[in-house]
Amino acid sequence: NAGVMQNPRHLVRRRGQEARLRCSPMKGHSHVYWYRQLPEEGLKFMVYLQKENIIDESGMPKERFSAEFPKEGPSILRIQQVVRGDSAAYFCASSPIQTYEQYFGPGTRLTVT
Amino acid sequence: GDSVTQMEGPVTLSEEAFLTINCTYTATGYPSLFWYVQYPGEGLQLLLKATKADDKGSNKGFEATYRKETTSFHLEKGSVQVSDSAVYFCALSDSRYNFNKFYFGSGTKLNVKP
Repeated sequence: NAGVMQNPRHLVRRRGQEARLRCSPMKGHSHVYWYRQLPEEGLKFMVYLQKENIIDESGMPKERFSAEFPKEGPSILRIQQVVRGDSAAYFCASSPIQTYEQYFGPGTRLTVT
Repeated sequence: GDSVTQMEGPVTLSEEAFLTINCTYTATGYPSLFWYVQYPGEGLQLLLKATKADDKGSNKGFEATYRKETTSFHLEKGSVQVSDSAVYFCALSDSRYNFNKFYFGSGTKLNVKP
């Protein structure tokens, strides 16, 4: 059973461009979580999604950030008009039900130049 | 609000040395506590957990005890190996919501030298 997959692993964007980060949960998992890790800080919760639903987005910045988890395909975290402060590692996790056993992907490291 | 504080790294030890990584937490409810480990180039893996006060989580020689009186969940291992070199994250799960919302510490990098 393949683990949680994230791509790309590294992404470089210039200020003002859009960044799209993809997360494929483990097979059979219908719950996806996104976390952000800024340099020298811990992971911070951003959003929790189930298929076609955003359940909790209390950790998402109010502007420029959006997330989706369509019926088919991976979950997407989209950052519009990126700024240097968006440079971070973005981790995705999945779980089969609402459980503390969240399985993490390797992360996408976004660098904004 | 809920938060986790863990000791800064890097921690450098010789093989077979004793390891302690300190972790303290702040929570308003009754959280569950976790240690995750991240090996280079990989995602976070659950190392151990404790869901209530005085519980001891253990796995692969690592242990941590949920101490409510000191709000701590320190990670220990009696004899580290080179293969234990990784970043260790302490985390708490606040289940007051309709799902388990995780709060992570900043991570402690462990380097074990042969």
